[in-house]
Amino acid sequence: GAVVSQHPSRVICKSGTSVKIECRSLDFQATTMFWYRQFPKQSLMLMATSNEGSKATYEQGVEKDKFLINHASLTLSTLTVTSAHPEDSSFYICSARGVGETTFGSGTRLTVV
Amino acid sequence: QKEVEQDPGPLSVPEGAIVSLNCTYSNSAFQYFMWYRQYSRKGPELLMYTYSSGNKEDGRFTAQVDKSSKYISLFIRDSQPSDSATYLCAMSAGEKLTFGTGTRLTIIP
Repeated sequence: GAVVSQHPSRVICKSGTSVKIECRSLDFQATTMFWYRQFPKQSLMLMATSNEGSKATYEQGVEKDKFLINHASLTLSTLTVTSAHPEDSSFYICSARGVGETTFGSGTRLTVV
Repeated sequence: QKEVEQDPGPLSVPEGAIVSLNCTYSNSAFQYFMWYRQYSRKGPELLMYTYSSGNKEDGRFTAQVDKSSKYISLFIRDSQPSDSATYLCAMSAGEKLTFGTGTRLTIIP
């Protein structure tokens, strides 16, 4: 089946620094990738949708200058949290869609201290 | 009102019991309905996928969609401790998925 690899699985960073999260589709080409944020005991909230080679489409209320998304190839998308603050601490999950179903990565637990 | 409503639980049942999980929604444009299972600190894993109304069965899992009532269900038969997880319903009209809050399920051995 389709596999999506997300790294790192867990990261701790200091306030003010930037963190990059990678999402790779290992055995299929992902024309579209999605980035979600999940707070404890809450649903997945879509942050942005990215298509290969074009700018990401951000959901209302998501700061595009803070959450930089790059989808440079059909197998890789990155989310960079810039100038991280403690309130950015959350579980970030990517998903990738190719020809078939949408497959999720294993998530990244970000803690900003 | 949220587009998708799901009872967050937690729900605890004994091993072997039948589990019923449900979601309601308000957007009549939703055509695709999914159930995901999420273990702690992991990404969601697709369990069932249904297009429009009807039933779908896969092993111990049965998904039901009633578009007239805007109500979907997931049934788990002969529940096992390994079924303990958070179950999220999701639905879409096209590209974007809208998720429920998830129901935390514990199967007691």
